[in-house]
Amino acid sequence: DAGVIQSPRHEVTEMGQEVTLRCKPISGHNSLFWYRQTMMRGLELLIYFNNNVPIDDSGMPEDRFSAKMPNASFSTLKIQPSEPRDSAVYFCASSLGQGAGKAFFGQGTRLTVV
Amino acid sequence: AQTVTQSQPEMSVQEAETVTLSCTYDTSESDYYLFWYKQPPSRQMILVIRQEAYKQQNATENRFSVNFQKAAKSFSLKISDSQLGDAAMYFCAYRSPGGYQKVTFGIGTKLQVIP
Repeated sequence: DAGVIQSPRHEVTEMGQEVTLRCKPISGHNSLFWYRQTMMRGLELLIYFNNNVPIDDSGMPEDRFSAKMPNASFSTLKIQPSEPRDSAVYFCASSLGQGAGKAFFGQGTRLTVV
Repeated sequence: AQTVTQSQPEMSVQEAETVTLSCTYDTSESDYYLFWYKQPPSRQMILVIRQEAYKQQNATENRFSVNFQKAAKSFSLKISDSQLGDAAMYFCAYRSPGGYQKVTFGIGTKLQVIP
């Protein structure tokens, strides 16, 4: 299996622009997590999907952030409009069952908003 | 709320030597899971080892082992015979049991391996 695939690996955008991050989970996994990693706050859970349904979005910072999972093999995290403070590495992870601790992570998308 | 503390921002170890990374956590629960994740320069988070709180025996995975002290709420990671490929960020993490539960991560410890 190719593992969790995220795209793009790097994204540089101007403040105010819309940014879409993409994730393909491991085939057969029914749980998907979006995390954000910064030096100041470490790794934070943004949203959790189970069987394509958002279960916990309490970590989504504000309305500018939205996430979708239209099917079991694809998810997006969108930021609109983007701000410099959104600069971070965004990880997608998937697992079989609800065991977030045993999730497999993608290689992340490094987002820079200038 | 649970918190995970890693008090060592950076550590270094000589190749082939042993190093211990510290982690403490705060919880009022009696059952839970603890994890150590490795994040190499490739950025991918890799699960290194997992410990269930109800198990007294410390988990071991090849050169990686933990010292789990439940009363002290301490969960340190020992890396034996350190290799250059062990150089990475290491994250300690906590999760409550049962169904869906958030994983709380520590801030991480950067491990440098000196040849």
